[in-house]
Amino acid sequence: GAVVSQHPSWVICKSGTSVKIECRSLDFQATTMFWYRQFPKQSLMLMATSNEGSKATYEQGVEKDKFLINHASLTLSTLTVTSAHPEDSSFYICSARVAGANTGELFFGEGSRLTVL
Amino acid sequence: AQSVSQHNHHVILSEAASLELGCNYSYGGTVNLFWYVQYPGQHLQLLLKYFSGDPLVKGIKGFEAEFIKSKFSFNLRKPSVQWSDTAEYFCAVNNRNQGGKLIFGQGTELSVKP
Repeated sequence: GAVVSQHPSWVICKSGTSVKIECRSLDFQATTMFWYRQFPKQSLMLMATSNEGSKATYEQGVEKDKFLINHASLTLSTLTVTSAHPEDSSFYICSARVAGANTGELFFGEGSRLTVL
Repeated sequence: AQSVSQHNHHVILSEAASLELGCNYSYGGTVNLFWYVQYPGQHLQLLLKYFSGDPLVKGIKGFEAEFIKSKFSFNLRKPSVQWSDTAEYFCAVNNRNQGGKLIFGQGTELSVKP
């Protein structure tokens, strides 16, 4: 099946620094990628929809200046958590939809665990 | 707004017991329905999906789900669970007119005792 890879899988940073997380579709092209956030013992919350070559669409309540999303190519989307604070500590998961597919099925990355000290 | 509700937060079963996890969604349009599983320490994997046709869908590892349109439900079932089924299960719904955006339920943690 289609493979989505995230990097890094875990990162620890100091408060006030910025952290970039990459999401790559390894064996398919993805015009659309989605970024989710998962708190412990909770569900996945959609943060934003990342579209190749255009601005991301953020869900209500998600600060676009805080969570910068760039989808520069058909196989790569990045999420940058700017000026991270401890409350940003979470598990961030990306997913991708195969370009041209209209089934809605998504393929998920392994997730990136961010810990802000 | 579109939402997905999973009724059980944590289910504990013994091996060989039957499983049914409830999932209801609120959206009146045409939807695609999914069940994902997340084993401890691993990423999400697709169990099964429904797009159209036979409302009884069979997935991997002996799981199946039934789409009942009149009840806005998509319950997950397995006749006989195994210890290896211990995981978090997520129901998800996609509105076909919203570009593939997938909305997840709260998740149900399944613990199977050997």
